[in-house]
Amino acid sequence: GAGVSQSPSNKVTEKGKDVELRCDPISGHTALYWYRQSLGQGLEFLIYFQGNSAPDKSGLPSDRFSAERTGGSVSTLTIQRTQQEDSAVYLCASSSLGFYEQYFGPGTRLTVT
Amino acid sequence: AQKITQTQPGMFVQEKEAVTLDCTYDTSDQSYGLFWYKQPSSGEMIFLIYQGSYDEQNATEGRYSLNFQKARKSANLVISASQLGDSAMYFCAISGAGNQFYFGTGTSLTVIP
Repeated sequence: GAGVSQSPSNKVTEKGKDVELRCDPISGHTALYWYRQSLGQGLEFLIYFQGNSAPDKSGLPSDRFSAERTGGSVSTLTIQRTQQEDSAVYLCASSSLGFYEQYFGPGTRLTVT
Repeated sequence: AQKITQTQPGMFVQEKEAVTLDCTYDTSDQSYGLFWYKQPSSGEMIFLIYQGSYDEQNATEGRYSLNFQKARKSANLVISASQLGDSAMYFCAISGAGNQFYFGTGTSLTVIP
């Protein structure tokens, strides 16, 4: 079946603009995660959705970052008033249960100029 | 809180030799999972192997094995018979009761022909 998809694959935006990044998880996966990976760095946890439960937002770096998951499927990560330090690859992953292996999407490379 | 430490930023191995990538972890959870992922230069995250904290046997998947030493809180990845295609970043991760995943900073492996 189809894997995790993300769009856009690349996004260049001007400082101060808002951006939306989309993640379409594997069908039937209840858990969805967003991560940020800066150049040459590891993965930084941002937010976690599990079913209909309230999301775990503990990793969001500032109130400029928000995410939602509609209908338990597609998720959108929104970054308001982008800053240059937001430039990174944003990875989405899904899993059937939070405890088991995650399947990652190809990522969105965000560049803030 | 959970934490993963990968102390080897870069490793080199001769083709066909075995290599061990180190990973130590810290967690207060009684039940947790340990994961290894591979990230080639193309950027995708590829799941390699999983070890549950209550599993008494070390996990193996083809040429990958996980040397799990619970008392020492280590979960080293062993790659046998290295191939040129194994050159990549390798990330160790832990997931526990909160279902968050925490990743280490990664180890860059280069296989030398």
